[in-house]
Amino acid sequence: KNEVEQSPQNLTAQEGEFITINCSYSVGISALHWLQQHPGGGIVSLFMLSSGKKKHGRLIATINIQEKHSSLHITASHPRDSAVYICAVSRRGGGGGADGLTFGKGTHLIIQP
Amino acid sequence: SAVISQKPSRDICQRGTSLTIQCQVDSQVTMMFWYRQQPGQSLTLIATANQGSEATYESGFVIDKFPISRPNLTFSTLTVSNMSPEDSSIYLCSVEGTGGGGYNEQFFGPGTRLTVL
Repeated sequence: KNEVEQSPQNLTAQEGEFITINCSYSVGISALHWLQQHPGGGIVSLFMLSSGKKKHGRLIATINIQEKHSSLHITASHPRDSAVYICAVSRRGGGGGADGLTFGKGTHLIIQP
Repeated sequence: SAVISQKPSRDICQRGTSLTIQCQVDSQVTMMFWYRQQPGQSLTLIATANQGSEATYESGFVIDKFPISRPNLTFSTLTVSNMSPEDSSIYLCSVEGTGGGGYNEQFFGPGTRLTVL
């Protein structure tokens, strides 16, 4: 079982629809990241969460630490939102140093006009 | 934020050869990370590169295959040695920025798309 699970794997929706992508994790974390990857490979950090909820424009990210679950929402979706959305976690380490991320497999989102 | 550049952006290499990928950051950072993304897969951490010490490799990755240099706080290289077609991937470097609440945002380079024939 992967330590970070995302659903759905693939999502096709019509322009304007409300989009939800889910992420569950099974390890202790210090933070959870939502990333966006466009065709061509470039990755952009959308959110970094340790608790609660964050909002940037039409994007909203929430996290429930007790349930080990996070969601990414897109309101009023647009074709330019088409990308792979990746959930990743910073594992809670003991040494105080930085750790790399553990990634989910990503959600391929297509927004049709 | 941090701006990261990588060279080369892509390459096609022959089996058995080696390729060195460069990662340059526009600010000094303590930790740099190297990831691999195989076709259709998510990213996997290869190693963490610390300035002034040996890189720390994840399970399944070894220094002989993926030697890393970290000569200063803004630069690192990853070499993919004795390549085989299974090494065809996107290789990305990443750094941690300074976020709020003590937790650090990740910034990624544009990636190096490697094809091994």
